[in-house]
Amino acid sequence: DAGVTQSPTHLIKTRGQHVTLRCSPISGHKSVSWYQQVLGQGPQFIFQYYEKEERGRGNFPDRFSARQFPNYSSELNVNALLLGDSALYLCASSRTGVHEQYFGPGTRLTVT
Amino acid sequence: AQSVTQLDSHVSVSEGTPVLLRCNYSSSYSPSLFWYVQHPNKGLQLLLKYTSAATLVKGINGFEAEFKKSETSFHLTKPSAHMSDAAEYFCVVSDRYSGGYQKVTFGTGTKLQVIP
Repeated sequence: DAGVTQSPTHLIKTRGQHVTLRCSPISGHKSVSWYQQVLGQGPQFIFQYYEKEERGRGNFPDRFSARQFPNYSSELNVNALLLGDSALYLCASSRTGVHEQYFGPGTRLTVT
Repeated sequence: AQSVTQLDSHVSVSEGTPVLLRCNYSSSYSPSLFWYVQHPNKGLQLLLKYTSAATLVKGINGFEAEFKKSETSFHLTKPSAHMSDAAEYFCVVSDRYSGGYQKVTFGTGTKLQVIP
């Protein structure tokens, strides 16, 4: 089975722009979570979706939003990009909830 | 409040000697606890999980962890380090709240160096 896939792998944006990151979970997994990992730090929880409903939210501003589609894939949107948004964005999927999460390779976002 | 403290940012061991990576947590509920490993330029991989069953949890690659509620600890151990164990290790706590909401917190990570 294919693992969690994320696109794009790398992205360069300018301050103030908007970005959309995409994630496809493992087949059969209905939950997707998003994390931000700044260089040298542990991942920070952003959102968790299960069955297309938000089930968890970390301490991120409203510039960050997400949604999950009927096929359980997900998008993370970030508006009004700041330099501090530069990070590796990780997507993880699981059958239900946050147990046994499987992580994708991440999208490296650079904001200039 | 939910938090995770990994007590050592770097741990260095000789190949073949025991590994101990320390983790303390704070949770208002009955948490689930996990250890993940991240090798350089690779994705995060689940090592083991505790979800209110046996307090001694065995994971992959010979790792295990013991949940000690009285000490709010979930330390990761391995009897004999291998060169391939060199990586960054993250302790993770997960709480479920009313309404089916969940929150996850990663520790800041411990970099394990294995000396030949």
